[in-house]
Amino acid sequence: DTAVSQTPKYLVTQMGNDKSIKCEQNLGHDTMYWYKQDSKKFLKIMFSYNNKELIINETVPNRFSPKSPDKAHLNLHINSLELGDSAVYFCASRGGERNEQFFGPGTRLTVL
Amino acid sequence: SQQGEEDPQALSIQEGENATMNCSYKTSINNLQWYRQNSGRGLVHLILIRSNEREKHSGRLRVTLDTSKKSSSLLITASRAADTASYFCATDAFAGNQFYFGTGTSLTVIP
Repeated sequence: DTAVSQTPKYLVTQMGNDKSIKCEQNLGHDTMYWYKQDSKKFLKIMFSYNNKELIINETVPNRFSPKSPDKAHLNLHINSLELGDSAVYFCASRGGERNEQFFGPGTRLTVL
Repeated sequence: SQQGEEDPQALSIQEGENATMNCSYKTSINNLQWYRQNSGRGLVHLILIRSNEREKHSGRLRVTLDTSKKSSSLLITASRAADTASYFCATDAFAGNQFYFGTGTSLTVIP
C-alpha cells in the first residue's frame, strides 16, 4: 500500500488558471507538508500542517493555499498560476518512532 | 535563510570507492536527517542522527554530526552503481515542525 500518494502526477496548464494537487497519507501521521523542488533540485518547504495548526513559509505567495479536510489529507490549491510556479511539488507526512518524513512521488507542474 | 548547504554539489566516483558528502546548517537543531532522491522520484529517508549523538551507522552508511561546527557528513562505503542519486540533509529545528533541506549532492557511481 502506498504510504503517501499524490494526484495528479503530471499537470500541464496555462498561466492564470487555478489548479489543485491532492495528497493523502495512510500512516496515521499528525503532520503533513508541502515542498517545492525547482529545476536546480532546491527543495523548499512551503507549508506544514499539524493538528489544524498551519505554519506557512513567509516566502510563499498567498496564491498558494493548503486545505486539509481531515488528518489524512492536505491538498494544495494554486490560484492564478504563473510561469515561475513550474516545479515538482512534493507532499510529505511525518511521524512514527523515528520521526521521519515519508514523501509522496511528486507532482510535476508545468505552466505554459 | 535557514537552508543548509551541502558540498560537493556533484560527486562522481568508481564503483567500490567510498563517497563522502558534507552538510552545513545555520540554526540549533533537534536532529538531522539524510535523504536520498532517485531521478524523477520522491525522497526516501536514510538515517537520522540526534543532536546529542556524534556518529551513527546503518549498513554501508555512516553519519557524523558536529553541532559545534553545525555540520554533518554522510559516508557511503563500497559504493554501487545503484547508489547513484541525489542526497539531501534536512535539519529539524526545535521550534515548530519545520524541516529545512540542504541544496543536495548529486552522486554518480560509475560501474
